[in-house]
Amino acid sequence: EADIYQTPRYLVIGTGKKITLECSQTMGHDKMYWYQQDPGMELHLIHYSYGVNSTEKGDLSSESTVSRIRTEHFPLTLESARPSHTSQYLCASIMTGNTEAFFGQGTRLTVV
Amino acid sequence: RKEVEQDPGPFNVPEGATVAFNCTYSNSASQSFFWYRQDCRKEPKLLMSVYSSGNEDGRFTAQLNRASQYISLLIRDSKLSDSATYLCVVGQNTGGFKTIFGAGTRLFVKA
Repeated sequence: EADIYQTPRYLVIGTGKKITLECSQTMGHDKMYWYQQDPGMELHLIHYSYGVNSTEKGDLSSESTVSRIRTEHFPLTLESARPSHTSQYLCASIMTGNTEAFFGQGTRLTVV
Repeated sequence: RKEVEQDPGPFNVPEGATVAFNCTYSNSASQSFFWYRQDCRKEPKLLMSVYSSGNEDGRFTAQLNRASQYISLLIRDSKLSDSATYLCVVGQNTGGFKTIFGAGTRLFVKA
């Protein structure tokens, strides 16, 4: 099993709330990614990081932000949640030289 | 045009059938290729890497054609447990390593 963890697994919040989705990995991977996936739909890359203090926006425009202060931790923050943010958010990590991506179990977010 | 394109399916096949999935990618600088499997409401997991020489893992065979920028996955003797979404994945090292997922092809294997 991969050592990459996401919390919370499920979250229901009200519109306008600020939330942070946590992602941590204990494998020492330098590359980390956040994907958004609606049920039955494809994965969309929203943010990625090549290492500490490195963050980039992905292909899908997102109103979220990320930070990478420590190698093992890559949190994603929504400053003001909206119903359109309702989705599943998947975090993944890859080690340079080993190109298999390991995924967390995801956070299912519902904004009401 | 999407960087990685797959037939979305769904593919509905009987047990024991052979099924093939195709995938094309647009960036000729792509360096690594994979097939992932994603079960309903689960995270994607690596099924197999794809090498230029082609590779086989039991009932699964993956092939890569760099000239045509085409990747395939063949499943022989389909099992009910093969029902899932199969994601074609391409790795690019262009100013940093980027992993791009295709939209996935859904497979339903029926008894």
